[in-house]
Amino acid sequence: GAGVSQTPSNKVTEKGKYVELRCDPISGHTALYWYRQSLGQGPEFLIYFQGTGAADDSGLPNDRFFAVRPEGSVSTLKIQRTERGDSAVYLCASSPTGTSGAYEQYFGPGTRLTVT
Amino acid sequence: AQTVTQSQPEMSVQEAETVTLSCTYDTSESDYYLFWYKQPPSRQMILVIRQEAYKQQNATENRFSVNFQKAAKSFSLKISDSQLGDAAMYFCAYRSSNTGANSKLTFGKGITLSVRP
Repeated sequence: GAGVSQTPSNKVTEKGKYVELRCDPISGHTALYWYRQSLGQGPEFLIYFQGTGAADDSGLPNDRFFAVRPEGSVSTLKIQRTERGDSAVYLCASSPTGTSGAYEQYFGPGTRLTVT
Repeated sequence: AQTVTQSQPEMSVQEAETVTLSCTYDTSESDYYLFWYKQPPSRQMILVIRQEAYKQQNATENRFSVNFQKAAKSFSLKISDSQLGDAAMYFCAYRSSNTGANSKLTFGKGITLSVRP
């Protein structure tokens, strides 16, 4: 079956602009995670959805970042007033459920965001 | 909060030889999961191997095995018979096993493994 997909693969935007990054999880997976990976670093947690609701958004760095998952499937990460420090690879992962650590998280290929 | 430390930024291994990648972690929990992920230049995170903390036996997956030392909070990855395709970044990661808790992954900084032909 299809894996996790993310679009666009690469996004270049100017400082101050608004961007949306999309994640299509594996069909039937109720848990969805967003991570941010800065150059030379490991991924850092941003937000976790269980179904349609954000169960934990403690990793979002500030109020310029927001994510939605209105129908419990596709998720969109939204960044307002982008800054150069937002440049990173944004990874999405899905899992059959997030309420148990036993399940594997399946990652998408990420979106590389570059803010000029 | 849990932390994962990978102190070696880079390692190199000769093709067909064995290499060990180190990882330490800190947690106050008694039950959890540990993972090694591989990230090639394509950016796709691929699960290499996982270990449940309650299991004393070290996990193995073909050429990949771990040395899990729970008391020392150490979790190293051994790659045997290294192949050119093993060249990638490798990340050690931790996840709580508490049901109902956020099952997010906490990653180390990663290590870049190169394989010499």
